[in-house]
Amino acid sequence: EDQVTQSPEALRLQEGESSSLNCSYTVSGLRGLFWYRQDPGKGPEFLFTLYSAGEEKEKERLKATLTKKESFLHITAPKPEDSATYLCAYTNTGNQFYFGTGTSLTVIP
Amino acid sequence: DGGITQSPKYLFRKEGQNVTLSCEQNLNHDAMYWYRQDPGQGLRLIYYSQIVNDFQKGDIAEGYSVSREKKESFPLTVTSAQKNPTAFYLCASSASGTAFYGYTFGSGTRLTVV
Repeated sequence: EDQVTQSPEALRLQEGESSSLNCSYTVSGLRGLFWYRQDPGKGPEFLFTLYSAGEEKEKERLKATLTKKESFLHITAPKPEDSATYLCAYTNTGNQFYFGTGTSLTVIP
Repeated sequence: DGGITQSPKYLFRKEGQNVTLSCEQNLNHDAMYWYRQDPGQGLRLIYYSQIVNDFQKGDIAEGYSVSREKKESFPLTVTSAQKNPTAFYLCASSASGTAFYGYTFGSGTRLTVV
């Protein structure tokens, strides 16, 4: 069964303490792996799309990478405003997304 | 600015009532989707529509209904048959009838049964 698993469920970091969030997947025919940021009470905001193993994308303090079995969201020198839930999702048909349960990140000043 | 507007932001439903959640987009996207989000669970697909006057059931369609009479609008009705409707509901859209390039989400409606 296709699925995506995110870890850890929750992560607390001191401001400036770099870390990584993991998204592992068992999907046949993966066409895209997506990262979203969701703030409390709001809809998810698109961050990155990764299409093939070895691909990397960066945006400010965030860097997403993709291997054949997992994706990482690296957060370098995080700030309190990076606190949010980070969701990963995949598509194999191009018509629907399947979401993980998310990692709740808290960055402490 | 283009985007997706969901209303209301908060909605309260009494037992046995049907309620309708609004979703409007001005992105000229073909496809629209409804997801339900519960604590500790990933987003689950309720219904989706790739073109006007056509829609398909998602993984948890029981107790819900939709319509797609206009490209811009995709309202979701939570019927009395949905026994556990308290959740955060998200509407999304994508271009060209495929999610390959990513969804745009609305800001959500929080539905509570009272």
